[in-house]
Amino acid sequence: QKEVEQDPGPLSVPEGAIVSLNCTYSNSAFQYFMWYRQYSRKGPELLMYTYSSGNKEDGRFTAQVDKSSKYISLFIRDSQPSDSATYLCAMHFISNFGNEKLTFGTGTRLTIIP
Amino acid sequence: GAVVSQHPSWVICKSGTSVKIECRSLDFQATTMFWYRQFPKQSLMLMATSNEGSKATYEQGVEKDKFLINHASLTLSTLTVTSAHPEDSSFYICSARARGSGNTIYFGEGSWLTVV
Repeated sequence: QKEVEQDPGPLSVPEGAIVSLNCTYSNSAFQYFMWYRQYSRKGPELLMYTYSSGNKEDGRFTAQVDKSSKYISLFIRDSQPSDSATYLCAMHFISNFGNEKLTFGTGTRLTIIP
Repeated sequence: GAVVSQHPSWVICKSGTSVKIECRSLDFQATTMFWYRQFPKQSLMLMATSNEGSKATYEQGVEKDKFLINHASLTLSTLTVTSAHPEDSSFYICSARARGSGNTIYFGEGSWLTVV
């Protein structure tokens, strides 16, 4: 079993729709949860960063973390064609000894249809 | 947000030669830097984690003698691909964890390496 599971898609939705992207994880040691957006042939861009269960909102984006279920989500409201990209979830932990690990999901390719 | 710069963005090298990629945090001190490679339409594969002033920790299956990582300062890490082969052609991305920022991690724009 992979530490982080993410549906690779592709996912296509019409402009204006609400998009829901999800990841599950198996390692309960993960402390920080992030969503990145990656356009073709570019480096990932940080969208959302959370470290506790619950919701965090930033503009049209809402990140949701449920540590008990080991499940995180990213919601995009009023989706725009410019949101078309690959979305990667990432999990991070840092041990008391300074060891750390950052693990990514496979990424979901999203296309917003005008 | 914080800026991480990678250089070069594109590089073509001959098989058997070595190539160095730099990763700089421009406006923050990076306690930890991560190096990834990404093949087309695939996710990022962590190669190694480097802490300033100490040896990098390599992921299983990554040859440390082939992929030399040096994290000489809190703002600079370098990845050197030694004796490059065509199968090393890939997109290499670095990321940096900003000290004191709640462990937020920022990525560089990536470096495309083509070995011919």
